[in-house]
Amino acid sequence: GQQVMQIPQYQHVQEGEDFTTYCNSSTTLSNIQWYKQRPGGHPVFLIQLVKSGEVKKQKRLTFQFGEAKKNSSLHITATQTTDVGTYFCAGPGGGGATNKLIFGTGTLLAVQP
Amino acid sequence: EPEVTQTPSHQVTQMGQEVILRCVPISNHLYFYWYRQILGQKVEFLVSFYNNEISEKSEIFDDQFSVERPDGSNFTLKIRSTKLEDSAMYFCASSEAWFSYNSPLHFGNGTRLTVT
Repeated sequence: GQQVMQIPQYQHVQEGEDFTTYCNSSTTLSNIQWYKQRPGGHPVFLIQLVKSGEVKKQKRLTFQFGEAKKNSSLHITATQTTDVGTYFCAGPGGGGATNKLIFGTGTLLAVQP
Repeated sequence: EPEVTQTPSHQVTQMGQEVILRCVPISNHLYFYWYRQILGQKVEFLVSFYNNEISEKSEIFDDQFSVERPDGSNFTLKIRSTKLEDSAMYFCASSEAWFSYNSPLHFGNGTRLTVT
């Protein structure tokens, strides 16, 4: 079945350092979404990317969708302690019309003040 | 801002017992979902529900699981005979439209199910 993998699994940074998580799908995706889950919390939607090569920015966060629409990345510039949490990419599962959103394995970000 | 609400926040049950997890999706949303997350692991899709029927389900969602929208507001997940491996955080989610059309999933705070 379809797999969505993320690397790294865990990243520990000093506050102010940059952070990047990479997402790779075994199949081509029509779109990709990113969610953030704070420790003990629930996933919260961050953004959706649809077009090949698309780049979107939200303040210090930069999201990119690969040209082949099989990979994506999230880059955080100058991390803050509020960035702590697990970042998940998610894409439609299976081919054709689907209402199944498959989450990646996640990257847990720890930020040391 | 409207929220998805889930009850209870924590449920402890004995193996073999039936449990019902309850959710109130956002009122104008049409698509409903159940996901589960075993501690420290990824968020796994269980089932999606639209127009009063299951639209998709995963291999996890076997005959022990069922979903229902008993009235205009609640959305429930029933596990008929719980197993130890059913212990997880169960998240309900809803979306206004088909998520592929820029309609994100809104998650509830989850129900932590512990099977002893």
